[in-house]
Amino acid sequence: EAQVTQNPRYLITVTGKKLTVTCSQNMNHEYMSWYRQDPGLGLRQIYYSMNVEVTDKGDVPEGYKVSRKEKRNFPLILESPSPNQTSLYFCASSKVQGAVNQPQHFGDGTRLSIL
Amino acid sequence: AQSVTQLGSHVSVSEGALVLLRCNYSSSVPPYLFWYVQYPNQGLQLLLKYTSAATLVKGINGFEAEFKKSETSFHLTKPSAHMSDAAEYFCAVSEGNTGKLIFGQGTTLQVKP
Repeated sequence: EAQVTQNPRYLITVTGKKLTVTCSQNMNHEYMSWYRQDPGLGLRQIYYSMNVEVTDKGDVPEGYKVSRKEKRNFPLILESPSPNQTSLYFCASSKVQGAVNQPQHFGDGTRLSIL
Repeated sequence: AQSVTQLGSHVSVSEGALVLLRCNYSSSVPPYLFWYVQYPNQGLQLLLKYTSAATLVKGINGFEAEFKKSETSFHLTKPSAHMSDAAEYFCAVSEGNTGKLIFGQGTTLQVKP
């Protein structure tokens, strides 16, 4: 089954404790992206990657890091989490050819609470 | 910069009634537009997409949307609401050649029995 898998689904942690949210897709997609969803703001892009070893900032990259060492994986790293990063996070992937019109496939989300 | 505005953060309809969720976009180039649906505790699922092939786009679950360039709109409709349609709906436009999606704020659809 084609899917984007995020882990963990839920996490409560404390300020300053480094954490990683993993994302893996099994569709051989070149493009992967991270979004955060906040009430009244819709989804906003954090980082994206057009292919292995190619990453770039989205609209809200502050406080986050990503890496793309393998095509299937795109982890999101919070080096020193703060309460304003409490949010619902989604990973997405799509084919890159004509990336603008290829629908993105989304994971089920990771709900992070930073105390 | 491109943007998307969804009119109405909450829409309530009776089962069997017409569903109309409004979306307006701003774009300096021909847009690629999408509607996604989010059920509770799930990710976003693609309902339909507009890529300039046809102005009336049919999607899954009986939904369709009409692209109107003169009105910069891409409203989502369904002739007869079902209880299972209760969810949050997002309109999005694809920006430039990065594949980034610009999302609207979302509209929560409530379906009353």
